[in-house]
Amino acid sequence: DTAVSQTPKYLVTQMGNDKSIKCEQNLGHDTMYWYKQDSKKFLKIMFSYNNKELIINETVPNRFSPKSPDKAHLNLHINSLELGDSAVYFCASSRSWKGTSTDTQYFGPGTRLTVL
Amino acid sequence: AQKITQTQPGMFVQEKEAVTLDCTYDTSDQSYGLFWYKQPSSGEMIFLIYQGSYDEQNATEGRYSLNFQKARKSANLVISASQLGDSAMYFCAMREENTGGFKTIFGAGTRLFVKA
Repeated sequence: DTAVSQTPKYLVTQMGNDKSIKCEQNLGHDTMYWYKQDSKKFLKIMFSYNNKELIINETVPNRFSPKSPDKAHLNLHINSLELGDSAVYFCASSRSWKGTSTDTQYFGPGTRLTVL
Repeated sequence: AQKITQTQPGMFVQEKEAVTLDCTYDTSDQSYGLFWYKQPSSGEMIFLIYQGSYDEQNATEGRYSLNFQKARKSANLVISASQLGDSAMYFCAMREENTGGFKTIFGAGTRLFVKA
């Protein structure tokens, strides 16, 4: 009965490879997000999707391509991985992206990506 | 300019004592939301408490309370009766209206150490 789940939890790969991280939420939320947390713990939004549509794209390299097959899933595919992509990637969801500012985001457990 | 400022990179508190974690924010919006999240060493992001910009009362959730001073643009988290399990990173976040919707911005975090 996990609310927001991500797989895998750990991902270790070589530079230049392509990898994907999957996210699913069972909260019935309309909006999902990808965040990147760097080694200094700074958390920054990458993408936001509302009901399968891209809402926010925060100047992320186009090697990163999110895909939302339905509103409960938001996957992140990364091409040609670089050393600087090493980070923890969090998926989150909220009821809505628009309307009130009371909308709390619930986070997945995170995926620690290490690029060698 | 920093939108969310957490000036305490690290804090120590004795078990059973209260501790205040500082957060100041910068926005020109009238409607916004303020959040605190906890990130224990296991890595997950746990929602703690929310304060809306129009809320006149300070938010409380169990041992957590949010000391909201709108004129000073501060939203400090107060943890009463600290427990060893409170040792974690704490992030302040603000959700404000962005182009076409809302966006959440996180502070750099404060690492809290609870001493036995």
